[in-house]
Amino acid sequence: QKEVEQNSGPLSVPEGAIASLNCTYSDRGSQSFFWYRQYSGKSPELIMSIYSNGDKEDGRFTAQLNKASQYVSLLIRDSQPSDSATYLCAVYHGSGNTGKLIFGQGTTLQVKP
Amino acid sequence: SQTIHQWPATLVQPVGSPLSLECTVEGTSNPNLYWYRQAAGRGLQLLFYSVGIGQISSEVPQNLSASRPQDRQFILSSKKLLLSDSGFYLCAWSVVNSNQPQHFGDGTRLSIL
Repeated sequence: QKEVEQNSGPLSVPEGAIASLNCTYSDRGSQSFFWYRQYSGKSPELIMSIYSNGDKEDGRFTAQLNKASQYVSLLIRDSQPSDSATYLCAVYHGSGNTGKLIFGQGTTLQVKP
Repeated sequence: SQTIHQWPATLVQPVGSPLSLECTVEGTSNPNLYWYRQAAGRGLQLLFYSVGIGQISSEVPQNLSASRPQDRQFILSSKKLLLSDSGFYLCAWSVVNSNQPQHFGDGTRLSIL
């Protein structure tokens, strides 16, 4: 079992729809969770951080965390063609300087006009 | 604010040639520093990380090495490049001893001929 799992996609949604990206992780003790956006040929860019169970909203983005189910998701409302990218889920395993940020393989999102 | 610089942006090297990629961080002290490689269409592979000057941890045995000669400088090197070393090399930093996210440089696209 991979430590951080994502569906590789592509996930295709029409413009204006809600895109839902999912991620599961194996380390029950993980405390920090991040979503990165990576456009083709570019480096990953941090878009959301979440540390507590529940929802965290930032503009059109909402991150959802359920530690009991070891599940984190990213919702993108009113999806735009400019949201087309690969979204990487990252989970911090361990603590302090002995911990590591584990990345999923990424989900490719395509928003069609 | 913190910024991370990585160069060169692209590099074409023959098999067997040496390599030196440099990364510097501004606006923070004593960061954790990381080198990743991303093969085409693949996820992020952690190569090296450093929690301080001269302290290097290797994640994957290979013909690459890393050094941290100064607090905010991280260098990735090879004495003899292999075809399999082609990829997108990313440097990242994070706040030391915390569960905070990593922030990436713009990356170096390395092609081995």
